[in-house]
Amino acid sequence: DAGVIQSPRHEVTEMGQEVTLRCKPISGHDYLFWYRQTMMRGLELLIYFNNNVPIDDSGMPEDRFSAKMPNASFSNLKIQPSEPRDSAVYFCASSPAGTPGNEQFFGPGTRLTVL
Amino acid sequence: LAKTTQPISMDSYEGQEVNITCSHNNIATNDYITWYQQFPSQGPRFIIQGYKTKVTNEVASLFIPADRKSSTLSLPRVSLSDTAVYYCLVAPMDSSYKLIFGSGTRLLVRP
Repeated sequence: DAGVIQSPRHEVTEMGQEVTLRCKPISGHDYLFWYRQTMMRGLELLIYFNNNVPIDDSGMPEDRFSAKMPNASFSNLKIQPSEPRDSAVYFCASSPAGTPGNEQFFGPGTRLTVL
Repeated sequence: LAKTTQPISMDSYEGQEVNITCSHNNIATNDYITWYQQFPSQGPRFIIQGYKTKVTNEVASLFIPADRKSSTLSLPRVSLSDTAVYYCLVAPMDSSYKLIFGSGTRLLVRP
């Protein structure tokens, strides 16, 4: 298995533009997570899905952020409009159903820079 | 979710054993203890998980005392490639999958 796949790996955009980050979880995994990592705030959970349904989006910073999971093989995280403070590394992770606190498999991340 | 406290950084030399201790005084009965490793420019990677006593795998050992208020990740004979950030997490056994990552311990292994 190729692991969790994220695209693009790097994104540079200007303030006000829409940004779309993409994730393909490991096949067969029921849970998908979106995290954001910055030096100041560390690694934060933004939202997670179970069987394509959003379960907890309390970490989503504001209405400019949205995430969807239209099917078991794909999720995207959109920021519209983007702001410089959104600059961070965004990670997607997936995990199989089973024992809670189960191992999460992280993707390589997307480094977003908003100018 | 139980809060965890671990050292901000540690230094070691190649070939030494490294022990990183994490404090989780408010751990609940149904909580597991999990450790992740993160290399620069990569996502975190699961290392080991345990509930009590000792767990060992090919990468590390995890020691958990009877009161479970702390845990120690032990890395035997570290190499330069073990330089990374190590996160201690406490995750409940119920249906919540919400992992809270703290600041982690930045381990630097010197030649």
